[in-house]
Amino acid sequence: SAVISQKPSRDICQRGTSLTIQCQVDSQVTMMFWYRQQPGQSLTLIATANQGSEATYESGFVIDKFPISRPNLTFSTLTVSNMSPEDSSIYLCSVDLGGDRPQHFGDGTRLSIL
Amino acid sequence: GQQLNQSPQSMFIQEGEDVSMNCTSSSIFNTWLWYKQDPGEGPVLLIALYKAGELTSNGRLTAQFGITRKDSFLNISASIPSDVGIYFCAGSTGTASKLTFGTGTRLQVTL
Repeated sequence: SAVISQKPSRDICQRGTSLTIQCQVDSQVTMMFWYRQQPGQSLTLIATANQGSEATYESGFVIDKFPISRPNLTFSTLTVSNMSPEDSSIYLCSVDLGGDRPQHFGDGTRLSIL
Repeated sequence: GQQLNQSPQSMFIQEGEDVSMNCTSSSIFNTWLWYKQDPGEGPVLLIALYKAGELTSNGRLTAQFGITRKDSFLNISASIPSDVGIYFCAGSTGTASKLTFGTGTRLQVTL
């Protein structure tokens, strides 16, 4: 398996500001994903972070609100823009190691917006 | 987006009891995964299933890939207090594909 580090682990932000979350993997991976987990809810895929090209967003999520970067095979960032209290969630990064190895997750970033 | 339906939504059991939970979908999946999430942590993979009808064990955990490819089951035998947490199923249409998660089953174990 891979070691996946997310930063920050938690933050409290003011309404209207933006926060960038980092995801670092200790090995090169083809696929990286970003999920949102609202309080008491399950995980919902935001987008697939593609290395060298734009991210692929799921229905209900747009690039202007959740811009994603994937500059190399070990790193990705997710920005939550113009935050409102409804954006208070856990944001999780996952990686697909390829072959028959399924996705593994980081510990998430717990975001609260006041 | 689509979510998989898990049941039960939550359960209280006594230590030593066996636990069963299931996950159903209206769509066919080629891979079924079971994760456990503890408070303050990300989901941790428990079992992966790749073939319809497959039965796979990991210690006290046993999971099955439904023959219709639209469901999966997880059993925990002789539960212990550290089994407490939220269990999520997840389905994928390919091994390197995005996951659709279930609604979750919250397990609480009493002594």
